[in-house]
Amino acid sequence: KNQVEQSPQSLIILEGKNCTLQCNYTVSPFSNLRWYKQDTGRGPVSLTIMTFSENTKSNGRYTATLDADTKQSSLHITASQLSDSASYICVVSGGNAGNMLTFGGGTRLMVKP
Amino acid sequence: NAGVTQTPKFQVLKTGQSMTLQCAQDMNHEYMSWYRQDPGMGLRLIHYSVGAGITDQGEVPNGYNVSRSTTEDFPLRLLSAAPSQTSVYFCASRRTSSGNSYNEQFFGPGTRLTVL
Repeated sequence: KNQVEQSPQSLIILEGKNCTLQCNYTVSPFSNLRWYKQDTGRGPVSLTIMTFSENTKSNGRYTATLDADTKQSSLHITASQLSDSASYICVVSGGNAGNMLTFGGGTRLMVKP
Repeated sequence: NAGVTQTPKFQVLKTGQSMTLQCAQDMNHEYMSWYRQDPGMGLRLIHYSVGAGITDQGEVPNGYNVSRSTTEDFPLRLLSAAPSQTSVYFCASRRTSSGNSYNEQFFGPGTRLTVL
């Protein structure tokens, strides 16, 4: 069964600190992996999309890594800001049914002053 | 561009009532989909459409109907609401994938539905 597991479920950090969120998946065959940011009460917004051949991708203070061999990805947030408080969702595209999306449960990040 | 819009933002229904959640996009995207998001769970696909006149079931289609008469609109109908359908519903759209392309998916702001 295609699954995406994220850890931790929730995280509290102080403003200015760095953090790393983890994503493990079992989706096969693999097409691409996406990280989304979802603010409270809003829809998810794309941060990065990576294919099999890409092992790192940055979007400002967000850096995603992908290890397709171990089926793991991470999202590193540098110098966190209060506005980074949100849920971060890992999504994997692929599977035998074509490019269907499998969503992780998300990591809820709270940045405190 | 307004992107993906959804109405209403909030809705309370009684068990057995019917209603339609509206979704529209102005990006000329072929692919549109409906998801539900429940606490502690990832978004789950309800129904999707790859173009006007074409719809298909996702992971959790029971209790929901969809239609796609135009490229822009993709309404979701609850025929007889049940408390288990209490959730946040998201509509999304993207250009249709070809091969290994990774077309970005855009989400609407969501509809928070409570069924009493």
